[in-house]
Amino acid sequence: GQNIDQPTEMTATEGAIVQINCTYQTSGFNGLFWYQQHAGEAPTFLSYNVLDGLEEKGRFSSFLSRSKGYSYLLLKELQMKDSASYLCAVGRGSYIPTFGRGTSLIVHP
Amino acid sequence: DAGITQSPRHKVTETGTPVTLRCHQTENHRYMYWYRQDPGHGLRLIHYSYGVKDTDKGEVSDGYSVSRSKTEDFLLTLESATSSQTSVYFCATAGTSFTEQFFGPGTRLTVL
Repeated sequence: GQNIDQPTEMTATEGAIVQINCTYQTSGFNGLFWYQQHAGEAPTFLSYNVLDGLEEKGRFSSFLSRSKGYSYLLLKELQMKDSASYLCAVGRGSYIPTFGRGTSLIVHP
Repeated sequence: DAGITQSPRHKVTETGTPVTLRCHQTENHRYMYWYRQDPGHGLRLIHYSYGVKDTDKGEVSDGYSVSRSKTEDFLLTLESATSSQTSVYFCATAGTSFTEQFFGPGTRLTVL
């Protein structure tokens, strides 16, 4: 079975930094995905981590620790348009990703 | 973006009627998925396909069936729609490298 936990909601201020955590317990782990989903829209891909460590992509970075079953998404220089849900998904064998319930991020001025 | 379309985009139907949702992709991706998204539950996998005529169940497959007769098309059928199947349905695809999934725009289904 699988268990993926992430906070339900977070708030932050424009220009600040926010870290969204995701913990998981799963068998057959082969990678961790982060997606962004604006209200009423489809999820869009942000990052994919296979190896331990931090991967940076512009204002967004994603970290993975396989031994701890832990990942985080770091958003820097927050903008109002970053208000969205952020979905953590664990990939396992046979190309079947399983999604957490998502974290709703609210960025206020 | 991968070319993924879903039809219809919105549908209202009555309990007990059959409903078919269509997902069409133009990227020749091997893997295709159907998810439903409900408040408080996130994205839950209904069925997936790993090739033409090769499909398997996800975690919430009861009441749903799928078919994939061509690489580009993946159909989801609600055999007899119930109010609990009111949801937003997303189709997704992935290539063989499986470094990301591409999602369609979604279908909002309401079962009265």
